[in-house]
Amino acid sequence: GAVVSQHPSWVICKSGTSVKIECRSLDFQATTMFWYRQFPKQSLMLMATSNEGSKATYEQGVEKDKFLINHASLTLSTLTVTSAHPEDSSFYICSATAGVSYEQYFGPGTRLTVT
Amino acid sequence: AQSVTQLGSHVSVSEGALVLLRCNYSSSVPPYLFWYVQYPNQGLQLLLKYTSAATLVKGINGFEAEFKKSETSFHLTKPSAHMSDAAEYFCAVISTSGTYKYIFGTGTRLKVLA
Repeated sequence: GAVVSQHPSWVICKSGTSVKIECRSLDFQATTMFWYRQFPKQSLMLMATSNEGSKATYEQGVEKDKFLINHASLTLSTLTVTSAHPEDSSFYICSATAGVSYEQYFGPGTRLTVT
Repeated sequence: AQSVTQLGSHVSVSEGALVLLRCNYSSSVPPYLFWYVQYPNQGLQLLLKYTSAATLVKGINGFEAEFKKSETSFHLTKPSAHMSDAAEYFCAVISTSGTYKYIFGTGTRLKVLA
């Protein structure tokens, strides 16, 4: 149980275009979803927290207009990287919590490469 | 504010040897602590968690960790390393200041030598 999926698993896009990454909780309703960014050989950096039907809360230093987060349902959150540039290339991981559980369940990640 | 320190960004052990990955935390309240493993180009998989029950926590793949309040530590151990244990390991604590979120350590890359 508590499976989180991400789509796509990897994506290559051209500089200036936008790309959308989906995060789904497959067998539970996610009260809260989280988006992380991970640079090579580094730890996870929390970008934002989102609750269904509410605006996402972004961490300090994260551009909310560049990284659009939508949490339209209890099982789906999307991260849209707008006007992507090569420096946005990274590994993006989402996670979700279920009910009152403190544990986060992580997706498999999405590798974004901007050329 | 809470923090997590993982001593040793790289640890190498021989196959069959003891694995010890260190994690120290700072928290003003009893913490919830987690150990995750990450294989290349994959997400995080939970190894084990401490939620203020038993101080010795057993996890998957033969790993265990002991919560020591006096030392503010939650070190991860495995009696005998296997080649498949080679991965990145992260210790995390739940933040209790402000909104709920994880605070991750910087990670330890485990290398297992044949």
